[in-house]
Amino acid sequence: TQLLEQSPQFLSIQEGENLTVYCNSSSVFSSLQWYRQEPGEGPVLLVTVVTGGEVKKLKRLTFQFGDARKDSSLHITAAQPGDTGLYLCAGDTGSARQLTFGSGTQLTVLP
Amino acid sequence: GAGVSQTPSNKVTEKGKYVELRCDPISGHTALYWYRQSLGQGPEFLIYFQGTGAADDSGLPNDRFFAVRPEGSVSTLKIQRTERGDSAVYLCASSPQPPGLAGNEQFFGPGTRLTVL
Repeated sequence: TQLLEQSPQFLSIQEGENLTVYCNSSSVFSSLQWYRQEPGEGPVLLVTVVTGGEVKKLKRLTFQFGDARKDSSLHITAAQPGDTGLYLCAGDTGSARQLTFGSGTQLTVLP
Repeated sequence: GAGVSQTPSNKVTEKGKYVELRCDPISGHTALYWYRQSLGQGPEFLIYFQGTGAADDSGLPNDRFFAVRPEGSVSTLKIQRTERGDSAVYLCASSPQPPGLAGNEQFFGPGTRLTVL
């Protein structure tokens, strides 16, 4: 059972376009993290959101945690080819001792 | 400073063989995690060590999988009687603090790609 559903699974866009990736669950998370993974590498943490309704910005990336702490979104403005990669959300329920990862969104930004 | 390293980077073995995968965490990190990632999927938790002890091994799929961390640093994931379904990328991550703390960051290694023929 996949606790975290990510959509879309694949996304291919042109350089300069905006995009949003979604991470949804029926479970409540004490915190949620977003990672980016490139081929042959492990995931690298982008951001952690903790408070319901929280919005964090990292240059052209905007992360939002839902009010009920069950969902999150990642918005990228003016995407660049260097943004290409697998974007993963991962939730911490607080009671479990490990992260639960979503299935990922494979983003390709074409020049 | 060095990040998390994993060896080998690639391992090809035959069905039924035994394999060992090694993880060198970042120095001083007390928490160590093993994950398995199949093609097109996110990482799936296998086991978590706090120090030398396995604090949570609920993700190990069956008793063919075993992991150790005898001195609280390097960890080895051991798979007996490998099956074709074990083929995946095995990721190791370490963290300077135990889970459950908000903002706990896990630092991942590049993974070992295991192929069972």
